[in-house]
Amino acid sequence: KAGVTQTPRYLIKTRGQQVTLSCSPISGHRSVSWYQQTPGQGLQFLFEYFSETQRNKGNFPGRFSGRQFSNSRSEMNVSTLELGDSALYLCASSWSSARSDTQYFGPGTRLTVL
Amino acid sequence: AQSVSQHNHHVILSEAASLELGCNYSYGGTVNLFWYVQYPGQHLQLLLKYFSGDPLVKGIKGFEAEFIKSKFSFNLRKPSVQWSDTAEYFCASRGDDYKLSFGAGTTVTVRA
Repeated sequence: KAGVTQTPRYLIKTRGQQVTLSCSPISGHRSVSWYQQTPGQGLQFLFEYFSETQRNKGNFPGRFSGRQFSNSRSEMNVSTLELGDSALYLCASSWSSARSDTQYFGPGTRLTVL
Repeated sequence: AQSVSQHNHHVILSEAASLELGCNYSYGGTVNLFWYVQYPGQHLQLLLKYFSGDPLVKGIKGFEAEFIKSKFSFNLRKPSVQWSDTAEYFCASRGDDYKLSFGAGTTVTVRA
């Protein structure tokens, strides 16, 4: 079974631009979560989608948004990029949104904001 | 909001030494606990998890963790490490808010 895939793997943008990251979950998984990983803040939860609905949201500004499609693929959008948005963005999928469900992580998208 | 703290930032060991990584969580209600590992150049993968039952949980590659509710702890152990255990280890918790909260991570370096 193929794992979680994320595209693109690397991205360079400038301040003020917007960016869209994509995540394809493991086949059959209906929940997708997004995380931001930085050296200073570590791994922080952004949001979770299940069956095209946002189920949960972390403490990030409204510039960070996402959506999930009927095939469970998910996209994350960051508008008006700031230097501090430079990070590794990780996507994780799970069978359901149950608390004990294991989340399987993708390789991440490395975003650099200049 | 729940939080997870990992006691050690960087641990350096020799092969065959025993490993114990500390993890404490703040949430007082029902909680699910996880240990993830990130090997160099690879993505995060699950080592083990606890959600109920036996507080001693066994995972992959000889790792185990013990859930001690009274101490809010979920320490990871391995009796004898190998060079291939060099990685970053993350403890995580998921409480009633269903958000997965990670600790800062512990870098483990195993010297041959």
